[in-house]
Amino acid sequence: DTQMTQSPSTLSASVGDRVTITCRASQSISSWLAWYQQKPGKAPKLLIYDASSLQSGVPSRFSGSGSGTEFTLTISSLQPDDFATYYCQQYNSYRTFGQGTKVEIK
Amino acid sequence: VQLLESGGGLAQPGGSLRLSCAASGFTFSTYAVSWVRQTPGKGLDWVSTISAAGTTTSYADSVKGRFTISRDNSKNTLSLQMNSLRVEDTAVYYCVKDRGPYGGSSDYWGRGTLVTVSS
Repeated sequence: DTQMTQSPSTLSASVGDRVTITCRASQSISSWLAWYQQKPGKAPKLLIYDASSLQSGVPSRFSGSGSGTEFTLTISSLQPDDFATYYCQQYNSYRTFGQGTKVEIK
Repeated sequence: VQLLESGGGLAQPGGSLRLSCAASGFTFSTYAVSWVRQTPGKGLDWVSTISAAGTTTSYADSVKGRFTISRDNSKNTLSLQMNSLRVEDTAVYYCVKDRGPYGGSSDYWGRGTLVTVSS
């Protein structure tokens, strides 16, 4: 099984900050990685697929990079609507989610 | 795109439940669909995926042999038959549309249905 490890688990930041979340896979997953945003009481929302492709309708301040075993999600300038929990997911072999990164207001 | 889950509720350990998902707003028979669950207050776990034509299914080890995924492309519906339920199956179950005919990332999610397994 492919394990996904996100860091940090919690991140405190201010509006306007540049934020980076890291996701590491226990084995190579090529670029078969997605990032989701989830707000309390809501379903997850797809932000990035295939490691770096922006889902339609998602603001361009979100970007993804990486391949193999190390990936990052970057929010270039944090907005009030971005305070949420973010999950990575691999779909190279079945599917596995990371444990989540909660982005909190500093 | 809309995905509307139903069938959640309370079940006893060892019991059964059948979840359904009504899909609309896209060509259902063209895409794989999946179930993903989330334990209250915790992370996300993939449960099962069925291919667009319904010919290929896959399951998480934790549910293999107990859960069965199926789809009816004539009715645009997805189902999950859950047998031999365990307390640890308690979660919100989401119906999700995948981006490809065999899987991939999930671009649309339903609102979820809560399954509680308790005596």
